Amino acid sequence: GIQVEQSPPDLILQEGANSTLRCNFSDSVNNLQWFHQNPWGQLINLFYIPSGTKQNGRLSATTVATERYSLLYISSSQTTDSGVYFCAVNDDYKLSFGAGTTVTVRA
Amino acid sequence: NAGVTQTPKFQVLKTGQSMTLQCAQDMNHNSMYWYRQDPGMGLRLIYYSASEGTTDKGEVPNGYNVSRLNKREFSLRLESAAPSQTSVYFCASRRLGAGYNEQFFGPGTRLTVL
Repeated sequence: GIQVEQSPPDLILQEGANSTLRCNFSDSVNNLQWFHQNPWGQLINLFYIPSGTKQNGRLSATTVATERYSLLYISSSQTTDSGVYFCAVNDDYKLSFGAGTTVTVRA
Repeated sequence: NAGVTQTPKFQVLKTGQSMTLQCAQDMNHNSMYWYRQDPGMGLRLIYYSASEGTTDKGEVPNGYNVSRLNKREFSLRLESAAPSQTSVYFCASRRLGAGYNEQFFGPGTRLTVL
């Protein structure tokens, strides 16, 4: 199956700071999703981004499929951004998830 | 649209007891999935249903059974619960079409087996 690696594993930010999360994958994919798991455990879809760049408010994502990586940018972070960020790629019939990046934003 | 809904939200079982986790989606998606999430890990696929009337094993199917009741509903059954099945269970459905291959998740069921 496809291997998905995320970095860094943990990130501590001061409110207002910017950050970049990275997702590397081992094979070509035709979809990639970014999720935010909030402290209550809900998985929230952030981006469906098999290639290119998308923006949604303070969040944006870029996937370079030919180089097998994706980046998630958080700008002007807020405490509500805390949680775990997962990327997942389509691996045959299922999604293969990375281990996640745990983001803590301090006021 | 409610999206993907799951019941119950929490459950505590004793070893050997059985239970069924319910999942429903109102997005008219053909494919549905059951995942489990264990501490410090991503999600792992238990079973999936590519369309109404079909089910297939995922990565970790042992100890579970599923039923695709109709296009909307996909249930997961634990026949004889074991402590190793303590986990958070997520149901998902997939939007597949021109330019789309995206999964949407329910709120999860937190299961503890004593």
